[in-house]
Amino acid sequence: AQSVTQLDSQVPVFEEAPVELRCNYSSSVSVYLFWYVQYPNQGLQLLLKYLSGSTLVESINGFEAEFNKSQTSFHLRKPSVHISDTAEYFCAVSEAFNDYKLSFGAGTTVTVRA
Amino acid sequence: DTGVSQDPRHKITKRGQNVTFRCDPISEHNRLYWYRQTLGQGPEFLTYFQNEAQLEKSRLLSDRFSAERPKGSFSTLEIQRTEQGDSAMYLCASSLAQLEAFFGQGTRLTVV
Repeated sequence: AQSVTQLDSQVPVFEEAPVELRCNYSSSVSVYLFWYVQYPNQGLQLLLKYLSGSTLVESINGFEAEFNKSQTSFHLRKPSVHISDTAEYFCAVSEAFNDYKLSFGAGTTVTVRA
Repeated sequence: DTGVSQDPRHKITKRGQNVTFRCDPISEHNRLYWYRQTLGQGPEFLTYFQNEAQLEKSRLLSDRFSAERPKGSFSTLEIQRTEQGDSAMYLCASSLAQLEAFFGQGTRLTVV
C-alpha cells in the first residue's frame, strides 16, 4: 500500500514571494503522482500530475512539481504567488497498475498575504 | 455538463438514523469513486465503481455503509444507524478510464 506525507500543514507567504510545498510518498511499486487544490468552499481540482516521461510537470497557472524517484518526493513550487493562490493543497499518489485509488496527504494550507 | 454533482450539500442527522447521499457524475465517465474527508485530513478512499460494478471497498466501509450505482450513472451512498464518528465530508469523484478524476463539492454530514 502507498502513503503520502505532506511535511507542512500551514504555509504563510507574502504575495509575489516563492513557495514550496513538500510531499514525500512511499510505495513498493510504480506510482502516479498528483497535486490537487481546494479553494475555499469549492471541490478538489487537479492542479498537475506526473504519469510518466519528463519528471518536471507544470500547471497553467505557474505551479510546477518535480518527481524525484530516488528521494520519493513530488514537491510543488511556484516562483511568485498571488492572493488568489490561497487554498489547501493536497498531494496524492496512486499505484500505476491500480490507478483508480488515490491516497492523499493531510494537506497544506497556503495563506498568501499582501 | 456542469461537473460532478452531489446532493445534499449538508446533512444534519441524529445518531441512529439512516442517511442517503446522491452523486451524479459527469455523464460519459465510467468510473465513480467515493471518498471521506475528516477535519485536518486528506480524503480517504471508500469505494470504486466501474460502470455499475463495485470493484473495491475499503476497510473503512463498515457493514453499515452501502453504495450502489444501479445503471452505471448516478450513485448513492447509504449509512445506516449513523454514529458520531461518521461525521465527515463525503466526496464523490468520476473519471473516464484512468484519466483525471473530477471531484464534486461534497456532502457534509454532521451526526448529533
